[in-house]
Amino acid sequence: DAGVTQSPTHLIKTRGQHVTLRCSPISGHKSVSWYQQVLGQGPQFIFQYYEKEERGRGNFPDRFSARQFPNYSSELNVNALLLGDSALYLCASSLRTQGDTEAFFGQGTRLTVV
Amino acid sequence: QKEVEQNSGPLSVPEGAIASLNCTYSDRVSQSFFWYRQYSGKSPELIMSIYSNGDKEDGRFTAQLNKASQYVSLLIRDSQPSDSATYLCAVSRIYGNKLVFGAGTILRVKS
Repeated sequence: DAGVTQSPTHLIKTRGQHVTLRCSPISGHKSVSWYQQVLGQGPQFIFQYYEKEERGRGNFPDRFSARQFPNYSSELNVNALLLGDSALYLCASSLRTQGDTEAFFGQGTRLTVV
Repeated sequence: QKEVEQNSGPLSVPEGAIASLNCTYSDRVSQSFFWYRQYSGKSPELIMSIYSNGDKEDGRFTAQLNKASQYVSLLIRDSQPSDSATYLCAVSRIYGNKLVFGAGTILRVKS
């Protein structure tokens, strides 16, 4: 079975632009979460979606938005990019939303804002 | 106080030794605990999950949980150079919807 797939793997954008990152979860998993990881830190929670509904939102500005599609894939959108948005963006796939559910990460999208 | 704290390291151990990685957390409602391994430039890989007090063993890895002390650890026996990575501790509430990560501990296994 395929694992979690993310696209693109690398991206370079200019300040002020917007970006869309995509994620396909493990087959059978209905929950997708997004995390941001900057160098030297652990991943920070951005959003969780389950059955196309937002189930949680982290402490990120409204420039960040996401959605989940009927096939459980998801996309993360970031508007008005800032230099500080440069990071590794991770998608995590899990069966459900409860805290005892194991989450599996995709390979990530490395976003560089110049 | 950070929600999840780990010693940043680097922790250096010789090949074949036991590596001990520690993590403390502040939220007493935390119920689920996970260890991820992250190689440089790669994404985190789940290696252990633990939900009950005590020890849980999987191959060369043993996770230990003490909820009263709000402490979780990971032991790696017979450490190999391929174990050199950053180890991330993550916690969540039983009805939580997010993982809270520590900053990670860098492990270096020297051959």
